[in-house]
Amino acid sequence: DQQVKQNSPSLSVQEGRISILNCDYTNSMFDYFLWYKKYPAEGPTFLISISSIKDKNEDGRFTVFLNKSAKHLSLHIVPSQPGDSAVYFCAATKPYNQGGKLIFGQGTELSVKP
Amino acid sequence: GAGVSQSPSNKVTEKGKDVELRCDPISGHTALYWYRQSLGQGLEFLIYFQGNSAPDKSGLPSDRFSAERTGGSVSTLTIQRTQQEDSAVYLCASAWDGLTDTQYFGPGTRLTVL
Repeated sequence: DQQVKQNSPSLSVQEGRISILNCDYTNSMFDYFLWYKKYPAEGPTFLISISSIKDKNEDGRFTVFLNKSAKHLSLHIVPSQPGDSAVYFCAATKPYNQGGKLIFGQGTELSVKP
Repeated sequence: GAGVSQSPSNKVTEKGKDVELRCDPISGHTALYWYRQSLGQGLEFLIYFQGNSAPDKSGLPSDRFSAERTGGSVSTLTIQRTQQEDSAVYLCASAWDGLTDTQYFGPGTRLTVL
């Protein structure tokens, strides 16, 4: 069963506009959520995270929102830049129970056009 | 400093052969994870090592898969009697600890089973 789902395989946005990437999860025991960014032929790199005790975390152009009741999180990138073009993976974990192993979504490929 | 390194970067093998994939984590990181990404899929957790504790093998897909971590550093993932469905990118990640610390990924080994 897919516990973390990213239902949009791809997203295309104009440079300077907002990119919104969505992620849904089914396991209410998840208490820590992360976004990773992946370029071709490279490993994923950590982007931003949020604990379940918060509903928003911001880091520069990147903001993650968590809606626990809906089991939904989103990543906002404002303004989007061509260098943001990559595959974005949402991940969830139960760190204090399972040692931090990450459960990933399928990824969303973001294309930011100049 | 050096990041996580993996070797080989690419491996092509014939069905039924055994393969070994190597991961060199960041020095000092006590937690080490193996994931794999099959075509069009998200990253799937395989196994997790934390210090000298028994590894969490809950993600290994079959008994053909095994991994070890020698001296708390280098790890080897072994796949015996490879099958075509084993074709994927195998990613290793390390972290200071196995809780909420950021996981740093290597570039991956692309395994192709003919």
